[in-house]
Amino acid sequence: DAGITQSPRHKVTETGTPVTLRCHQTENHRYMYWYRQDPGHGLRLIHYSYGVKDTDKGEVSDGYSVSRSKTEDFLLTLESATSSQTSVYFCAISTGHSVGNEQFFGPGTRLTVL
Amino acid sequence: TQLLEQSPQFLSIQEGENLTVYCNSSSVFSSLQWYRQEPGEGPVLLVTVVTGGEVKKLKRLTFQFGDARKDSSLHITAAQPGDTGLYLCRYGGSQGNLIFGKGTKLSVKP
Repeated sequence: DAGITQSPRHKVTETGTPVTLRCHQTENHRYMYWYRQDPGHGLRLIHYSYGVKDTDKGEVSDGYSVSRSKTEDFLLTLESATSSQTSVYFCAISTGHSVGNEQFFGPGTRLTVL
Repeated sequence: TQLLEQSPQFLSIQEGENLTVYCNSSSVFSSLQWYRQEPGEGPVLLVTVVTGGEVKKLKRLTFQFGDARKDSSLHITAAQPGDTGLYLCRYGGSQGNLIFGKGTKLSVKP
């Protein structure tokens, strides 16, 4: 199994509070991604990173920011959580060198915003 | 951005039956990947197809890439309860365009 951990695994918070989710990898892969997964929408890309301090937006980036100060850590921040951000969040990593960009996924974080 | 349409959305079958799920787009894929996601876990890669007309087999799973590289199918022979899960296709493009289909949720009953 790829060495990817996410923390916390579960979180319940209130509307308007800031929330930070952490993704940690031990594989030294260049690329890291944050997705959210919702019924009826599948997996949607929020942000991704192609190196330390290098990040870019995905298709559903509004309301989210990310930071990558070390190769192994990719943080996703909800500055002011809303109920629409209740979801399961997955981190993924990739070398960027495999055919089709194979991604390895973490176990997910279930976030509930009340 | 490429849109991937997966069908059917849900599929419930008995153990031993065969099934096929589909992934379609109006655009041409440079490559396509199939992932399986079990409840409470992240997706895991099953296969990558690259060449039009390509067929790949993984035990009882057969993956086919359309000749025009706009569609793909996954066929499972003699389904088992362990095949239960969400099957996702994903366009294997540039880093910001790694778009997934919404998936087919498969339930195989003993």
